[in-house]
Amino acid sequence: QTVVTQEPSLTVSPGGTATLTCASSTGAVTSGYYPNWFQQKPGQAPRALIYSTSNKHSWTPARFSGSLLGGKAVLTLSGVQPEDEADYYCLLFYGGAQVFGGGTKLTVL
Amino acid sequence: QVQLQESGPGLVKPSETLSLTCTVSGGSISSYYWSWIRQPPGKGLEWIGYIYYDGSTSYNPSLKSRVTISVDTSKNQFSLQLTSVTAADTAIYYCARRVYHYDGSAYYLIFDYWGQGTLVTVSS
Repeated sequence: QTVVTQEPSLTVSPGGTATLTCASSTGAVTSGYYPNWFQQKPGQAPRALIYSTSNKHSWTPARFSGSLLGGKAVLTLSGVQPEDEADYYCLLFYGGAQVFGGGTKLTVL
Repeated sequence: QVQLQESGPGLVKPSETLSLTCTVSGGSISSYYWSWIRQPPGKGLEWIGYIYYDGSTSYNPSLKSRVTISVDTSKNQFSLQLTSVTAADTAIYYCARRVYHYDGSAYYLIFDYWGQGTLVTVSS
């Protein structure tokens, strides 16, 4: 069974930089896994942020960016705002199947 | 603006079948993939499966024996059936659109629009 791993939690100061990672139990994450990232605030549905590694949706704030580094997919938040406090999920594609990471709870403190 | 709306019973008895429908508005159901995702209370997201508008499907191997996803293009709807439910199937169920796009030089897999979710509780 394929497992996608994220940091369970991360704390960052306002104005700082948060780096969230997404790893696959099958090995290095590449662009062929088409990493997608989502933000979910309490009581809300997930909202798409990044698709296919590094592409932003029209509604994605400029401070969010996606990349690959060290065999993992990475979501970077530069200049973190208080409203960025949320759960963040990555999604990887394995042929016909998709697997979500366990999520990272980002606290802005 | 594409919108998705889940509908169906909020309470299902153990061993019975959970049935949900997702209605797509603001765009056609054709030419896209349509997914179901669930989230148990206080837990993470789990992909259930998807259907292409032509009826081809892919399911999470852990749920495959109990899941059926179908599409009705005339109504711009797709549906989820999950049989033999237990308390472990209690969750918020979301529908979402998945796009597979080729721009001439690269392929993109995109999850973009989601429904607001509907809570289904399995209890007698």
